[in-house]
Amino acid sequence: SYELTQPPSVSVSPGQTASITCSGDKLGDKYAYWYQQKPGQSPLLVIYQDNKRPSGIPERFSGSNSGNTATLTISGTQAMDEADYYCQAWDSSTGVFGGGTKLTVL
Amino acid sequence: EVQLLESGGGLVQPGGSLRLSCAASGFTFSSYAMSWVRQAPGKGLEWVLGIRGSGGSTNYADSVKGRFTISRDNSRNTLYLQMNSLRAEDTAVYYCAKSSIAVAGGSFEIWGQGTMVTVSS
Repeated sequence: SYELTQPPSVSVSPGQTASITCSGDKLGDKYAYWYQQKPGQSPLLVIYQDNKRPSGIPERFSGSNSGNTATLTISGTQAMDEADYYCQAWDSSTGVFGGGTKLTVL
Repeated sequence: EVQLLESGGGLVQPGGSLRLSCAASGFTFSSYAMSWVRQAPGKGLEWVLGIRGSGGSTNYADSVKGRFTISRDNSRNTLYLQMNSLRAEDTAVYYCAKSSIAVAGGSFEIWGQGTMVTVSS
């Protein structure tokens, strides 16, 4: 079965750039999606189709996807961005999530 | 306002059954695929089942194949999850999620608040 791998944790200082990676076999041939989840809340879509932002998502969130790796980049990270982030893709009509990355802003 | 509201969660014994519902509002329900995604306590997200907007095609994760069934009633704008032969490892918050397209694929652009299922004796 298809697998997506994320680092368990990433730390960033306020105002700096955070990058969260997601690795999977030929992931660049698929669309990658990214979700943010804060404690006690439902997930929120922050990036779709590799690099598109839904309405209401700040411009500091961006994405890329090439080869075997998709990357979520948060520029000028704010304290409110502290959350768990999950990448997701589709493989033969089956949804697959990465294990999640806890972003700490300190 | 686009909204998804899950219900039906609770405590069930191993081997038991439970049916979850997800009431949708604010969009043309039949035009979008829907999925169930679960999250075990303290763990990550796991996609478990999906169904296309017309209801004609379904997809399952191996972990629930043969035990769980997804269905929808487009006349009632409601998504269902029938869970049979429940196991302790099925304990999780179950979210329904609206896809951005009518068939498998696309983004999960709207999520419900989730309903907790606990499998324990």
